[in-house]
Order: sequence, then C-alpha cells, then structure tokens
Amino acid sequence: GAVVSQHPSRVICKSGTSVKIECRSLDFQATTMFWYRQFPKQSLMLMATSNEGSKATYEQGVEKDKFLINHASLTLSTLTVTSAHPEDSSFYICSAGGTGEETQYFGPGTRLLVL
Amino acid sequence: KNQVEQSPQSLIILEGKNCTLQCNYTVSPFSNLRWYKQDTGRGPVSLTIMTFSENTKSNGRYTATLDADTKQSSLHITASQLSDSASYICVVSLSFHAGNNRKLIWGLGTSLAVNP
Repeated sequence: GAVVSQHPSRVICKSGTSVKIECRSLDFQATTMFWYRQFPKQSLMLMATSNEGSKATYEQGVEKDKFLINHASLTLSTLTVTSAHPEDSSFYICSAGGTGEETQYFGPGTRLLVL
Repeated sequence: KNQVEQSPQSLIILEGKNCTLQCNYTVSPFSNLRWYKQDTGRGPVSLTIMTFSENTKSNGRYTATLDADTKQSSLHITASQLSDSASYICVVSLSFHAGNNRKLIWGLGTSLAVNP
C-alpha cells in the first residue's frame, strides 16, 4: 500500500511558539491531503482538507489563522500550529489520497505537547 | 444527524479466541463503510472498505459484514493474536454529488485487548 510519513513524530514546545508538522506521500502523488486531530480516547476529528495549489478548506470551529496549512506540492503538506498553547496538545494525523481516491492512507501521527 | 456508533466500547479476550465488533450508523447519503485498525500512538490502517452492494469482505483473519438495510456492520476477528490489541474504528463515507472529497463520519472505536 501507499506510504505516508509525518515529521516529527513527537514534539515538545513552550507555550507561544509555533510548530510545523510535515506530511509526505512517499510513493504516490496526493492531490488531496487531510489533517486530523485526536484527543485521548476520542475519535479522529477532521481539521481541514488541503488541495495542492489551492487554499485549504477548514472544518467549522477550526481557526485557519492558528492552524496554517500549506500544500505546495503533490507530495508535501505542512500544518503549522501558530502560538501554540497547552490546549493544542494533541495527536495530529494526516492522510493522503489521489483524485477520486476512495482510500485515504494515514501517516503515523505527530504527538504535540505544549508546556 | 450523521452518526456512527460502535459497541462494545472495550473488549478483553484471550489469545486464540474469536471476537465480533459492532457498528451501527445513521449516515446519508451513504458511499462506503470502512474498518480501520489503530495501534496506540499510530495512524489508522485500513482493514476493509465496503460499498452499498457488498455484504462481506475479508482481509486475512478479519471479516467485515455490511447490512445496508439495517445500517449495521460487524468486524469479526478470527484466532486472535497479541498483535491484534488495538482500537478498531468504523468509518462511514458520505456520498457527495460534486467533488472528490467525501466526508468521513468516524466512530469512537472499540478498544480490543488480547491477553496471553
């Protein structure tokens, strides 16, 4: 199956700093990438959908100025958590799929801890 | 309201035993139903995807069933192994007329522990 990687796998940062998370599709071109957030013992929550070369579509309640998404190429999307606060501590997961792709391939996730 | 409900919330079984996980959904318009396995601290991995017309689909020791009339699905795990310990998530995909980005409705998952 297709491989999606995320970097870093875990990050600890101070409150107020910004953190960038990368999501890469290693062996296929992903026209669409999805960013999810998962709190402990809860389901994945879709944050935004990013399409290569265009602005991301954010889900209701997700601040686009706080969670900056860039999908500059068919193999890379980045999520930047700006001015992170402890409540942003969570497990962030990306997934990637091609045009009309029914299957989304998930990355291994990034654990963010904001102190 | 589009919802996916899973039961049981958690389950403990002995290695080698079989188990069945349940998923009920109220999602419309329905596109497909997926089962994912998520290990702790990892991203989900797809086990099966079933469309409206498919009643059953197998992937090794995993067998999923779908009853589109009653809007129920099950995931049966045969001869469980210690590595089956994970969260199993039922996800239903909405069908949109326009665009390719189909919205996914996620269940909360069933946490399975396989003990030796």
